[in-house]
Parts: sequence; C-alpha cells; structure tokens
Amino acid sequence: AQKVTQAQTEISVVEKEDVTLDCVYETRDTTYYLFWYKQPPSGELVFLIRRNSFDEQNEISGRYSWNFQKSTSSFNFTITASQVVDSAVYFCALKENRDDKIIFGKGTRLHILP
Amino acid sequence: NAGVTQTPKFQVLKTGQSMTLQCAQDMNHEYMSWYRQDPGMGLRLIHYSVGAGITDQGEVPNGYNVSRSTTEDFPLRLLSAAPSQTSVYFCASSYRTGGNTIYFGEGSWLTVV
Repeated sequence: AQKVTQAQTEISVVEKEDVTLDCVYETRDTTYYLFWYKQPPSGELVFLIRRNSFDEQNEISGRYSWNFQKSTSSFNFTITASQVVDSAVYFCALKENRDDKIIFGKGTRLHILP
Repeated sequence: NAGVTQTPKFQVLKTGQSMTLQCAQDMNHEYMSWYRQDPGMGLRLIHYSVGAGITDQGEVPNGYNVSRSTTEDFPLRLLSAAPSQTSVYFCASSYRTGGNTIYFGEGSWLTVV
C-alpha cells in the first residue's frame, strides 16, 4: 500500500537559515505523482509543486527547491534564506497511477523565528 | 472563481446528532474526496469518488457516509456524531487522470460535544 512518511514533526530555525523538509514514500507502482502543500496559520491548503515519477530533475522556484531521488524514494523540500512568512505546516502527498487515492504524510510544522 | 466550496465552516454537534457537510466544485473534476485533519495525524482520507455514482473508502471511513449523485457535489454525512469525530474536514477535487493538482476547500471545523 502507498505510504508517505514525514519524519520531522516540528522544526524551528532562525530567519535566513536554510531548512530542508524530508519526505519518504512507499509505492509498488512504477508511475506515480508526488505533491507538496503548504498550510499557513490561516488554515487553507496551498499547492506548491507536483512531480511525476519519470521526471527526476530537481526544481527551483525562487527560494524553494525540491530534490526528487527515486533511488531513496525521497522528495525533499528546501527553503533557502527562510522568512517568517514560511512558518506553516507542510504536507507531502503521493498518488499512484493505478489508484485514485491521494495519500498525505502527517506534515511537518515549520517555525521560522525572527 | 468558486473552486471548491464547503459548508458550513463551523459546526457544533451533540453526541448522537446527524449532520451533512456539503462540498461543491465548479471545475468539472471527476475526482472528489474528503479528508480529516487532526493534530499530529496529518490529512487522512475518509472517502473518495471518481465520478457520479462511484464512491470508495479511504483510510478512515468508519462513521461517515458519502454519495455522488452529480459531478459537482460530494456531501459527507455523519449519521450519529461522536466526540472522536471532532476535527477539521477538507473537501478536495481534481481531474482524475495522472497527477493533476488537487484543489481544496477552506475547511469545516466540527466539534462534537
């Protein structure tokens, strides 16, 4: 069965530090999709990125970057030069191509301290 | 743009009462789902649907019923509310094929006393 593990329950860093959020997944499907979502204190869920299993290129979007490594079944998310506005809960999610379910990890609560 | 609309936003129920959380989307998405969010547990899938007339169970379906009579609507029913169902509920939708972006409603805060 598909599974997503976000081992870091809570992280605190000082503003301007870099921080990496880990996501490890399990799947028996060869085609699958990975997602990251942000949930700020206001509570809504904000889409950040989608990656399919055939595209292992790392992606950078401003201060955000994602490292997808199939060999270690990981899809880690790095925030460079963190800001207080980055404080949120971040969720990693997995969808297998053979199944319609989208399963989320337990989330990592990130505190950026001024 | 309406997107995914959930109602009510806040609700307090007494144990044993029934209620329905409404979810509607205007993007013609085939896939709709309900998640509950509890502290330390992340988002857990309750039920999902891939089209009108088709529903299936997720990770934590007990105590909840769903139906999908139209593409647009996917209501979640609590037949006999229990304090363990106190949670934040999110409805989500997406196109079914591939890894399409999942759109979420704003959430419904439910307290069962």
